[in-house]
Amino acid sequence: EAQVTQNPRYLITVTGKKLTVTCSQNMNHEYMSWYRQDPGLGLRQIYYSMNVEVTDKGDVPEGYKVSRKEKRNFPLILESPSPNQTSLYFCASSFWGQGGGQPQHFGDGTRLSIL
Amino acid sequence: EDQVTQSPEALRLQEGESSSLNCSYTVSGLRGLFWYRQDPGKGPEFLFTLYSAGEEKEKERLKATLTKKESFLHITAPKPEDSATYLCAVQVASGTYKYIFGTGTRLKVLA
Repeated sequence: EAQVTQNPRYLITVTGKKLTVTCSQNMNHEYMSWYRQDPGLGLRQIYYSMNVEVTDKGDVPEGYKVSRKEKRNFPLILESPSPNQTSLYFCASSFWGQGGGQPQHFGDGTRLSIL
Repeated sequence: EDQVTQSPEALRLQEGESSSLNCSYTVSGLRGLFWYRQDPGKGPEFLFTLYSAGEEKEKERLKATLTKKESFLHITAPKPEDSATYLCAVQVASGTYKYIFGTGTRLKVLA
């Protein structure tokens, strides 16, 4: 089954404790992306990657890191989480062809609470 | 600044009562405009991609259209199972490959 898998689905942690949210896709997609979703603000893109070792900032990258060492995986790293990073996070992936503009497939989300 | 605005924020319809959702966008260049459906507790689910003004796509009770400044998602004779949040997104073509989402329209269809 084609899918984007995020782990963990839920996490409660404390300020300053480094954490990683993993994302894996089995569709051989080139493009992968992380979003956060907050009430009233909608989905905002954090980082995206167009292929292995190629990443770029979205609209809200501050406080986050990513890496793309393998095509299927795109982990999101919070080196020193703060309460304002409490949010619902989604990973997404898509093919990259003909200059972009391909629909994304989304994971089921990670609800992150930072106390 | 690139921007996507959806209206209305929320919409309540009676079963069978057709309506339209609006997505207006201001971007420096457009690679594609996307409509997604999101159910509570789930990730967005892809519905349509539109690439150029005048394009239309249709699927069951949904029809998406695109002009140079906005897109409409028309819902014909909706059913309660169409209740969800509908999201509009654009992928910009201004030297980046970002996606920008609107804040969505929450649709409730009453039986």
